[in-house]
Amino acid sequence: TQLLEQSPQFLSIQEGENLTVYCNSSSVFSSLQWYRQEPGEGPVLLVTVVTGGEVKKLKRLTFQFGDARKDSSLHITAAQPGDTGLYLCAANTGNQFYFGTGTSLTVIP
Amino acid sequence: NAGVTQTPKFRVLKTGQSMTLLCAQDMNHEYMYWYRQDPGMGLRLIHYSVGEGTTAKGEVPDGYNVSRLKKQNFLLGLESAAPSQTSVYFCASSQLGGGRQPQHFGDGTRLSIL
Repeated sequence: TQLLEQSPQFLSIQEGENLTVYCNSSSVFSSLQWYRQEPGEGPVLLVTVVTGGEVKKLKRLTFQFGDARKDSSLHITAAQPGDTGLYLCAANTGNQFYFGTGTSLTVIP
Repeated sequence: NAGVTQTPKFRVLKTGQSMTLLCAQDMNHEYMYWYRQDPGMGLRLIHYSVGEGTTAKGEVPDGYNVSRLKKQNFLLGLESAAPSQTSVYFCASSQLGGGRQPQHFGDGTRLSIL
């Protein structure tokens, strides 16, 4: 059983479209992180959200932490081919880290 | 800056063989982690270390052992490799623990067990 469930698992869209990726759990977390991973490389941190209801923006990426701190979303506006990659959410309990199953995004030029 | 370096990058083993994966970080980080990544499963924590000389079990520790004799190195050992251990292994480090610290990852070791 996955602690963090991500949806959708796969997403293929045209350049310029908007998309939202979801990360859900039945557990409450003190913080949640989003990473992006490109083929043949390790994940790279995009953002950390720590407060329920928090919204953070990173250029065309908008991250939101749910009010109850059980879920999070990543919204990309006007997707570009450079956004292609695997998006992973991650959360911790103590020193144990749990990653979501990932959303594989392909942006077609 | 090298960051986190993993060796080897690729390896093929036969069932029952043993091997050690090496992770080295040059950021003076206290915490280090070993994960495995399998299709549809995301990354799963195998073992971690909160400082030199310490190790602890993660979510999927069976079949693996680790050692952290030096702060900058974290070794992952497979004593008797099994096909179920075919995976991509990632090492990561962070300055401190907790979910607010960024983890810095290496580029992975692709391991196949025949």
